[in-house]
Amino acid sequence: QKEVEQNSGPLSVPEGAIASLNCTYSDRGSQSFFWYRQYSGKSPELIMSIYSNGDKEDGRFTAQLNKASQYVSLLIRDSQPSDSATYLCAVKAGTASKLTFGTGTRLQVTL
Amino acid sequence: DARVTQTPRHKVTEMGQEVTMRCQPILGHNTVFWYRQTMMQGLELLAYFRNRAPLDDSGMPKDRFSAEMPDATLATLKIQPSEPRDSAVYFCASGLGPSKAGEQYFGPGTRLTVT
Repeated sequence: QKEVEQNSGPLSVPEGAIASLNCTYSDRGSQSFFWYRQYSGKSPELIMSIYSNGDKEDGRFTAQLNKASQYVSLLIRDSQPSDSATYLCAVKAGTASKLTFGTGTRLQVTL
Repeated sequence: DARVTQTPRHKVTEMGQEVTMRCQPILGHNTVFWYRQTMMQGLELLAYFRNRAPLDDSGMPKDRFSAEMPDATLATLKIQPSEPRDSAVYFCASGLGPSKAGEQYFGPGTRLTVT
């Protein structure tokens, strides 16, 4: 079992719809959770971080964390073609600084 | 405009040659990470430093890879000798650790091709 799992996609949503990206992790000691966006041929870019159970909203993005279920998700409201990218879920365990990344979900927003 | 810089951006080399990749972290960031990304394995952590000291290099093949931080503005990753399986994109990232170590800023990457 991989430490951080994501559906590779592609996840296709029409413009204006809500895109829902999911991630599960295996280490119950995980403390911090991050979503990175990576456009094709570019480097990963941090878009959201979440540290406690519940929802965290930033503009059109909402991160949701459920530690009991070892589940973290990212919702993108009013999806735009510019949101088409691969979204990487990353998990940080305890006090260590290292992140474990999932393999990413490719999102396609169609016109 | 603070950003992580990496050189070279592209490198094509023959098997057995030495490859050196360089990274300049964002000024003031005390934690530097080296990652490798391939289609098959995704993004893998090779090594990371805090305040120039290596904290973890468990992801790195020790026999051929080495990473150093000669000073606070320069991190290097060397492969000697290189092999075709080392072909990948190598990213450097920096951040403020330990409290914000998960919030990492990535450089543009070095695309390495070993023939």
